[in-house]
Amino acid sequence: GQQLNQSPQSMFIQEGEDVSMNCTSSSIFNTWLWYKQDPGEGPVLLIALYKAGELTSNGRLTAQFGITRKDSFLNISASIPSDVGIYFCAGQGAQKLVFGQGTRLTINP
Amino acid sequence: DTEVTQTPKHLVMGMTNKKSLKCEQHMGHRAMYWYKQKAKKPPELMFVYSYEKLSINESVPSRFSPECPNSSLLNLHLHALQPEDSALYLCASSRTSYNEQFFGPGTRLTVL
Repeated sequence: GQQLNQSPQSMFIQEGEDVSMNCTSSSIFNTWLWYKQDPGEGPVLLIALYKAGELTSNGRLTAQFGITRKDSFLNISASIPSDVGIYFCAGQGAQKLVFGQGTRLTINP
Repeated sequence: DTEVTQTPKHLVMGMTNKKSLKCEQHMGHRAMYWYKQKAKKPPELMFVYSYEKLSINESVPSRFSPECPNSSLLNLHLHALQPEDSALYLCASSRTSYNEQFFGPGTRLTVL
């Protein structure tokens, strides 16, 4: 099925560093979502983007909905140990979410 | 109540067993979903219920049987599963099937 191109696949950073990840698609989406998943748990919705060009923040997280509606990025500023996990982007399609493959974030203290 | 709950948290079953997974939400959402997730992969959609009616079945084998008894509850009945069906099973809900989805904590299923 359709998938989003999410990069990078994994990141190894030092605590306190900023993080950036992005997703691209060959199709247009009207809503972009960013989720975080901890091991053995369900994905938690971090940010939802509804409008092309929209820039939205949630604490240290900032996400943007690309102007072409085919891409989105997520930034995390001043990373802390609890930011460790897998981050998924998702495009809202007709009754379905299309997921990226995930970005695994590891933080060295 | 702003969460999706799932029971049990863990389930181990043999290939001849019959078991059920349960999902519940009290957010007034009218769409509910079942996903299967393998390690290091994104969730994979199995079923979508919209207004208590099955609207999408992603060609899931008949050994998985969903049921939506009411707008708050979603079950997944399991029968004659295979070891490759071992995975994290996630339930999600959304206001309608065109809105952002909220996931439950999942059921870790192991088939022996």
